[in-house]
Amino acid sequence: AQSVTQPDIHITVSEGASLELRCNYSYGATPYLFWYVQSPGQGLQLLLKYFSGDTLVQGIKGFEAEFKRSQSSFNLRKPSVHWSDAAEYFCAVGARNFGNEKLTFGTGTRLTIIP
Amino acid sequence: EAGVAQSPRYKIIEKRQSVAFWCNPISGHATLYWYQQILGQGPKLLIQFQNNGVVDDSQLPKDRFSAERLKGVDSTLKIQPAKLEDSAVYLCASSRDRDYGYTFGSGTRLTVV
Repeated sequence: AQSVTQPDIHITVSEGASLELRCNYSYGATPYLFWYVQSPGQGLQLLLKYFSGDTLVQGIKGFEAEFKRSQSSFNLRKPSVHWSDAAEYFCAVGARNFGNEKLTFGTGTRLTIIP
Repeated sequence: EAGVAQSPRYKIIEKRQSVAFWCNPISGHATLYWYQQILGQGPKLLIQFQNNGVVDDSQLPKDRFSAERLKGVDSTLKIQPAKLEDSAVYLCASSRDRDYGYTFGSGTRLTVV
């Protein structure tokens, strides 16, 4: 069965500093990989996704993520965070050709930005 | 295009009562999902529809939860009777086809007391 681990429950960074959120997955092959952001009281918004090809993926709001097969990781990065980036971030995996399009989510990382 | 609409936004009920949530997906989206997000956890798929047929309901507690998608458009998720552990945000999502192109609604926050 597929699973996702986000080892950091809560991260605090200063505005303008760089950010890296960690994500490790467990799956028998290369899954589809996603990062979503959730602001309080809102649904999930897709930041970026990896299906195949270039392992460095660019997303919205200046985010990028790198797929590393050898480490089973898909870490999210941003070179300079803004106060509006404060939110909950979820990494998710989707199976290839499993008969459904279920997303399996990690437990999330809450990002706090300090001035 | 309009987003995924869900109602109500909030609901508070007593245990053993019943409750229903409604979802209107984006027009033309054939695939519809219901996820349960318990506080401190990531969302978990309850059921996936393709038009008005069920693709996957393996994680739906069928003794108390039911869902339908009549005419392949709107969907309703029902809990009867509710338990304290059902307190969660219930997220609806839709996609044009079975392509992981999810758009999520804002969710319904259920509190069971």
